Amino acid sequence: QQPVQSPQAVILREGEDAVINCSSSKALYSVHWYRQKHGEAPVFLMILLKGGEQKGHEKISASFNEKKQQSSLYLTASQLSYSGTYFCGTEAAGSEKLVFGKGTKLTVNP
Amino acid sequence: DGGITQSPKYLFRKEGQNVTLSCEQNLNHDAMYWYRQDPGQGLRLIYYSQIVNDFQKGDIAEGYSVSREKKESFPLTVTSAQKNPTAFYLCASSPRGTSGNYEQYFGPGTRLTVT
Repeated sequence: QQPVQSPQAVILREGEDAVINCSSSKALYSVHWYRQKHGEAPVFLMILLKGGEQKGHEKISASFNEKKQQSSLYLTASQLSYSGTYFCGTEAAGSEKLVFGKGTKLTVNP
Repeated sequence: DGGITQSPKYLFRKEGQNVTLSCEQNLNHDAMYWYRQDPGQGLRLIYYSQIVNDFQKGDIAEGYSVSREKKESFPLTVTSAQKNPTAFYLCASSPRGTSGNYEQYFGPGTRLTVT
């Protein structure tokens, strides 16, 4: 079952912060985050494994709430290069595959 | 340079024709995946393979077929049975068969248009 991402779209000014959420109805083993620019391949951002860890580097980080089966991606002090569509991919416990959400379109304006 | 190549970038076909999309990787990855992307739908899994000569159906396998005769190659055939084949097709690979600990590397995609 496809995870639900929110919001569907967000528009920011450069320097503002954003949070993108990913929620699943299944018990999750891992959550992947990818960013895709228009017409290009998705690019890996990070993986969060079961255990509720938070990961990140510089201004992009993420958390995984195992009890709620939710993950959030945090973008702080956004840059123009952050524009794109962000996808979460979830792996259910016992599954061998990722199921991706419909994506969140992020637009960062000067 | 290591990576995933997909060819061609754009493909046009007439309705009723089968078409094969190429995917090659030189990353020595065990697992390979095919996704379909439609506007506003995210990435939907068509087929995946964790090892040579073995593959499994994904969530939307109807009208598609694959083969995995070599580790580096995972071609996708879109058959005439696929009701709505026009889409952006992405191939991906990962080092091991279980996706949890390993990121997926994506190819540049093939945009298929069927008229």
